[in-house]
Amino acid sequence: QVQLQESGPGLVKPSGTLSLTCAVSGGSISSTNWWSWVRQAPGKGLEWIGEMYHGGGANYNPSLKSRVTMSIDKSKNQFSLKLSSATAADTAVYYCARNGDWSRTTGYYFDFWGQGTLVTVSS
Amino acid sequence: QSALTQPPSASGSPGQSVTISCTGTSSDVGGYDYVSWYQQHPGKAPKLIIYEVSKRPSGVPDRFSGSKSGNTASLTVSGLQAEDEADYYCNSYAGSFYVFGTGTRVTVL
Repeated sequence: QVQLQESGPGLVKPSGTLSLTCAVSGGSISSTNWWSWVRQAPGKGLEWIGEMYHGGGANYNPSLKSRVTMSIDKSKNQFSLKLSSATAADTAVYYCARNGDWSRTTGYYFDFWGQGTLVTVSS
Repeated sequence: QSALTQPPSASGSPGQSVTISCTGTSSDVGGYDYVSWYQQHPGKAPKLIIYEVSKRPSGVPDRFSGSKSGNTASLTVSGLQAEDEADYYCNSYAGSFYVFGTGTRVTVL
């Protein structure tokens, strides 16, 4: 069973860069899956941030694209998120998720999720 | 890339059915058969319950079903049970990115 675990600072200063890592266990990050980040502001709905594939290629939410960078570390079986110029509006629980296996289905969904980590942007 | 529109709330008594709508545009829901649904209990991560409009992952009860017509997708929960009380979100692929619905809180009366 695939498991994902987010980690990173729980507090980020305004204008700083939010950095998170998602460790993948029980499966390989080099599998036929894309890997996504999703966030949820307190009391609000889900927002997709972006996705990345181990073979290269990334797609980002158009509304966040200018501030988002994702990367994959195959040697550590993990992937990361960086969100620059953070503001209070970026305060949210951040989830990492695995997209569906595109070799068996279309893959356009998120079948495994991390437990989420709260990041607060505040001075 | 606006969020897909869902009703804020829905409710039903145990054993009854509830249907949640998810309205988008021809650029997302109407343009692809890539609608998925997620159940989220308070303080927990979302859980996939429907993918590709109407398919259920292994382990998800067949009380959950999905459909789509035009720009609107729907999730039906039949035979409501107490543990179905949760927030539900739809999601659609929109051509190189994804958009979630606004979310619906289902209450079991």
